[in-house]
Amino acid sequence: EDQVTQSPEALRLQEGESSSLNCSYTVSGLRGLFWYRQDPGKGPEFLFTLYSAGEEKEKERLKATLTKKESFLHITAPKPEDSATYLCAVSGGSNYKLTFGKGTLLTVNP
Amino acid sequence: SAVISQKPSRDICQRGTSLTIQCQVDSQVTMMFWYRQQPGQSLTLIATANQGSEATYESGFVIDKFPISRPNLTFSTLTVSNMSPEDSSIYLCSVRLRLASGGTDTQYFGPGTRLTVL
Repeated sequence: EDQVTQSPEALRLQEGESSSLNCSYTVSGLRGLFWYRQDPGKGPEFLFTLYSAGEEKEKERLKATLTKKESFLHITAPKPEDSATYLCAVSGGSNYKLTFGKGTLLTVNP
Repeated sequence: SAVISQKPSRDICQRGTSLTIQCQVDSQVTMMFWYRQQPGQSLTLIATANQGSEATYESGFVIDKFPISRPNLTFSTLTVSNMSPEDSSIYLCSVRLRLASGGTDTQYFGPGTRLTVL
């Protein structure tokens, strides 16, 4: 059974203070690892898909990396508008089912 | 990305009643999914709804409790039947899309329906 564990559960940063969120996973035959952002009262917003170890993707202040066991979402010089819950999910095997972690609640204070 | 809408956005219902949630997509999609997001928990897949076939339910979810319709390639409904307070949750529909030729498939989510059962 696919499993995803995200840490920390919550992270509070000062504006400009860079940090990383972790997503550890176990999956049989990784098809993709996904990062989403979720604002309160809204559905998850797609950020990145990573497919193989060593792959990296960037979008504005966010950079996602992937190893065979975990993924990191690096946030460089965050701003208050980056405050949200960040969700990690994996898809493995022969189906398209996504298995999600519980998310990391990021708060960036001005 | 695809534009996905859900109705209603929220509702408060009485125990024992049923609620049907609608999901509309602005493009034709083969695969649609229904998820549940309970407070403090991961998003959990309820079922996969492909047009022209019966929905496939995940372990712990049954058709009698969560009947799904998929009448065409842009629309689906999820009904939460005989509700109890434990069904209070956010229900999300999701679609699998390939936005660009040669690109990869990605799942996109609707805004969710917040259900409270009293």
